[in-house]
Amino acid sequence: DGGITQSPKYLFRKEGQNVTLSCEQNLNHDAMYWYRQDPGQGLRLIYYSQIVNDFQKGDIAEGYSVSREKKESFPLTVTSAQKNPTAFYLCASTMGGPGNTIYFGEGSWLTVV
Amino acid sequence: RKEVEQDPGPFNVPEGATVAFNCTYSNSASQSFFWYRQDCRKEPKLLMSVYSSGNEDGRFTAQLNRASQYISLLIRDSKLSDSATYLCVVNLLGSGAGSYQLTFGKGTKLSVIP
Repeated sequence: DGGITQSPKYLFRKEGQNVTLSCEQNLNHDAMYWYRQDPGQGLRLIYYSQIVNDFQKGDIAEGYSVSREKKESFPLTVTSAQKNPTAFYLCASTMGGPGNTIYFGEGSWLTVV
Repeated sequence: RKEVEQDPGPFNVPEGATVAFNCTYSNSASQSFFWYRQDCRKEPKLLMSVYSSGNEDGRFTAQLNRASQYISLLIRDSKLSDSATYLCVVNLLGSGAGSYQLTFGKGTKLSVIP
């Protein structure tokens, strides 16, 4: 089945450690996005990529890094510089143009212990 | 002014009630509009796209008013299963040709009560 796969679903990290969240899509979508959602809050954009080998910072990029070496993959690294990383992370993709449906992965829960 | 604003929640309504949510957006160049539903601790899922002419899907009706820059969602005959958070999503024209950016409202929580 086509869709977006995020892994791991639950992740615990010690303070000071980097962690990478995986996002893979087989929808042949051009654009991919990473969002962060805190309890009771809306989605905030971390990074987005419109095409391979290109990405832009979103509203809260500090402490995060991404890569887009392949069209189907857009991994997010949460670095030790991110002060409050505990959150629900959502990856999404679209064909990139207006009016196209946005698809989300099931999300990854990151907890810093 | 925030780019996308939604009605503050939570909305607590009895089964069978009709409930309406509004969402305003600040960028008149916005290209497309959606309503998403998000259940607790789950990812958002598309409920419906919103078209200028308005569109209906069963008990759900979405409308767009470009002149006043708002979209609305109407739910008729509310069911217990409608309890969720409803997110307004606007596709804004970003910098550079062909660049688009999605902006989400903070969501409105709906609780349908027996």
